[in-house]
Amino acid sequence: SQQGEEDPQALSIQEGENATMNCSYKTSINNLQWYRQNSGRGLVHLILIRSNEREKHSGRLRVTLDTSKKSSSLLITASRAADTASYFCATASGSARQLTFGSGTQLTVLP
Amino acid sequence: GAVVSQHPSRVICKSGTSVKIECRSLDFQATTMFWYRQFPKQSLMLMATSNEGSKATYEQGVEKDKFLINHASLTLSTLTVTSAHPEDSSFYICSARTPGTGELFFGEGSRLTVL
Repeated sequence: SQQGEEDPQALSIQEGENATMNCSYKTSINNLQWYRQNSGRGLVHLILIRSNEREKHSGRLRVTLDTSKKSSSLLITASRAADTASYFCATASGSARQLTFGSGTQLTVLP
Repeated sequence: GAVVSQHPSRVICKSGTSVKIECRSLDFQATTMFWYRQFPKQSLMLMATSNEGSKATYEQGVEKDKFLINHASLTLSTLTVTSAHPEDSSFYICSARTPGTGELFFGEGSRLTVL
């Protein structure tokens, strides 16, 4: 079953703007990960943030984690048309070895 | 990073036939692989956990006799959709866990269309 929800479900922005996607989850987690999926393709791992971390950066990506609110955000700065894709958060909890995915955000970056 | 390969990437079959999808870890040994199903514009739903040398663990609501999983070697897991029906049409994605770090890598997915 899905761990939580992402919002917005769809986001359309102009190239150069920043894109922010949010993820909420329901249970305690060990870590939270963000993935990208181009249409009809597999998933590409973007970034992992551990439960004891609050913020992490990787290139144009910035991820925050608020365990008290059980939420995370993914910020993509200076977006490009090539960033158009679906973005999913996924959580790993307890001894569970699998990931539980959020509902995803479809990002469209217009040139 | 590590590479996980799925084959075939697309398959079309007639209703009532069985289809096998392969998931291979190309440059590492994976004792655990996972199979997901994804409907259009939806998220990934875990179907089962495939363990090398033992029976797969299925998620609630997933028919084990319908979706046969075999993990016969440390680099290969297969998902067989038996007696496929149009409602089985979906995008199936596997992932494999690397030893040591336990990082997950995903295959490119297999799109099944049942006519």
